[in-house]
Amino acid sequence: AQSVTQPDIHITVSEGASLELRCNYSYGATPYLFWYVQSPGQGLQLLLKYFSGDTLVQGIKGFEAEFKRSQSSFNLRKPSVHWSDAAEYFCAVGPPFNAGNNRKLIWGLGTSLAVNP
Amino acid sequence: DAMVIQNPRYQVTQFGKPVTLSCSQTLNHNVMYWYQQKSSQAPKLLFHYYDKDFNNEADTPDNFQSRRPNTSFCFLDIRSPGLGDAAMYLCATSSEDRGTYEQYFGPGTRLTVT
Repeated sequence: AQSVTQPDIHITVSEGASLELRCNYSYGATPYLFWYVQSPGQGLQLLLKYFSGDTLVQGIKGFEAEFKRSQSSFNLRKPSVHWSDAAEYFCAVGPPFNAGNNRKLIWGLGTSLAVNP
Repeated sequence: DAMVIQNPRYQVTQFGKPVTLSCSQTLNHNVMYWYQQKSSQAPKLLFHYYDKDFNNEADTPDNFQSRRPNTSFCFLDIRSPGLGDAAMYLCATSSEDRGTYEQYFGPGTRLTVT
């Protein structure tokens, strides 16, 4: 079955500390991979994506993620967290582009990030 | 700036009273999606339009309908809202022209059912 697991429901870090949010997936083929961020009461903003190529991808707001095929993981990292990074983070996977018209994303349950001053 | 716009941002309706939520986009994307998101949950896909082709998710209640009169606009109609339909409704778009399909989301409409 296709699924996305974000093992950490809630994480608290201190401002300036490094951050890693975990994402593991189960999917038949190598999927497309996404990280989205959602501030309270807002829509989702795409942080970064992986389709192919270099397995370390850079995103907006200083985030990066590394795709590890052997571990079926796509963990999100940031070297130094800012108070404004407090939000909900969602990992999502979708079918390869050549898999017909199916574009349905499988979503993780999200990780809520709190940042202590 | 190109964007996805949702109106209204907040909508209050009465139990059983039809309501329409709207989404417009200036991105000229060919795919549009409607999601329902309840508190502390992941977004749940209701349906999407691939160009004019409507794709309904199997578990989307019949109470939810959608229209896409043109590329730029998409509407979500809830025919008889129940208390369980109170949620954030998110519209998203994506484009296929570069071999990728990342979705761009609007700010959402928060629906309250009284």
